[in-house]
Amino acid sequence: AQSVTQLGSHVSVSEGALVLLRCNYSSSVPPYLFWYVQYPNQGLQLLLKYTSAATLVKGINGFEAEFKKSETSFHLTKPSAHMSDAAEYFCAVSDHAGANNLFFGTGTRLTVIP
Amino acid sequence: DTAVSQTPKYLVTQMGNDKSIKCEQNLGHDTMYWYKQDSKKFLKIMFSYNNKELIINETVPNRFSPKSPDKAHLNLHINSLELGDSAVYFCASRGGGQSGELFFGEGSRLTVL
Repeated sequence: AQSVTQLGSHVSVSEGALVLLRCNYSSSVPPYLFWYVQYPNQGLQLLLKYTSAATLVKGINGFEAEFKKSETSFHLTKPSAHMSDAAEYFCAVSDHAGANNLFFGTGTRLTVIP
Repeated sequence: DTAVSQTPKYLVTQMGNDKSIKCEQNLGHDTMYWYKQDSKKFLKIMFSYNNKELIINETVPNRFSPKSPDKAHLNLHINSLELGDSAVYFCASRGGGQSGELFFGEGSRLTVL
């Protein structure tokens, strides 16, 4: 079965600082991995996805994530945080692109301090 | 045009009432979902339909009944509402092929008093 663990339910960074949101996955087969962002009172929006192509994936808004099989990780990073990045971030996994279900992590709330 | 739209966006009702939430997607996707997000932001899948057929039915009370009149619509009806049903309900759709990602609606916040 697939699952993801997001370490840290809350992360605070200063504006301009590096953003690092952690995600570790568990999967018995090569996974497909996703990061979603949820702004207040909105639905989830896809930031980026890994589907077994390049291990370093670039997404929207300057975010990127690196798939590391040896560490079973898919951490999300951004070199310089903006105030507008404050949101809830969810990591998700499925066992293939056509899977019927995505398994979501518990989310990490990012706060950006001016 | 909104890709996945849900109505109503907010719903306040009394315990014991019956309510429905509607969802429509204009992406041409075959698969649609209902997720429940609780107060701690945890997302839990409730149902999934593929081309009007139920394919995922997680452990939810049978007071919750999804209906898919066509593959572009997936509605959620809830009978005998309870306090614990208060949550944000998200509809989502997914295309086929190598895409894999879900497209979410903006959510319907249900408050049961």
